[in-house]
Amino acid sequence: GAVVSQHPSWVICKSGTSVKIECRSLDFQATTMFWYRQFPKQSLMLMATSNEGSKATYEQGVEKDKFLINHASLTLSTLTVTSAHPEDSSFYICSVWLAGGRTDTQYFGPGTRLTVL
Amino acid sequence: RKEVEQDPGPFNVPEGATVAFNCTYSNSASQSFFWYRQDCRKEPKLLMSVYSSGNEDGRFTAQLNRASQYISLLIRDSKLSDSATYLCVVNSAGGFKTIFGAGTRLFVKA
Repeated sequence: GAVVSQHPSWVICKSGTSVKIECRSLDFQATTMFWYRQFPKQSLMLMATSNEGSKATYEQGVEKDKFLINHASLTLSTLTVTSAHPEDSSFYICSVWLAGGRTDTQYFGPGTRLTVL
Repeated sequence: RKEVEQDPGPFNVPEGATVAFNCTYSNSASQSFFWYRQDCRKEPKLLMSVYSSGNEDGRFTAQLNRASQYISLLIRDSKLSDSATYLCVVNSAGGFKTIFGAGTRLFVKA
């Protein structure tokens, strides 16, 4: 079954508005979640690491004031794209790691497709 | 040089064909390796982990060569449903940071 859920699955908004994307771990607690972005025909790029109860860690080149991350509980991380512009249109995916077997495994949420007009 | 490089693709193969994907990684300290499958407009889904001893899951076989920093995926008896993008994923040492290859697109035709 699903390990991670995301909401909404898609959103269309006008330029200048803010969009909040939720990522929830299902049936387990996740102290760390990861946010990725994928542009068409490109691979996933890690944007930031979301840490429960503390500040997120952003990858180089990702504006922390534009992509606000809040990990207020052990099952929920939110990514807010502030003042969205057309170049922010992308597929946003969150993930978690689960321990098990010979190696830990990364599971992804179903993704949120953002289109900024 | 990219940290993870894959065959550019796309691969167009008939049903029943055997197809192999290659991937190289640059960080010799990388610790874990995976193949993910991504369908169009969907999230990546784990296909299989890759171990030095090699592993097989039905029609899929993955191999890791640490000395050459090379990972492979072999798909036998291709099905139409195998059409997807296959992502080579490498986990850097000491943490959960993963590096994704750009993906190889596979089209299996009837």
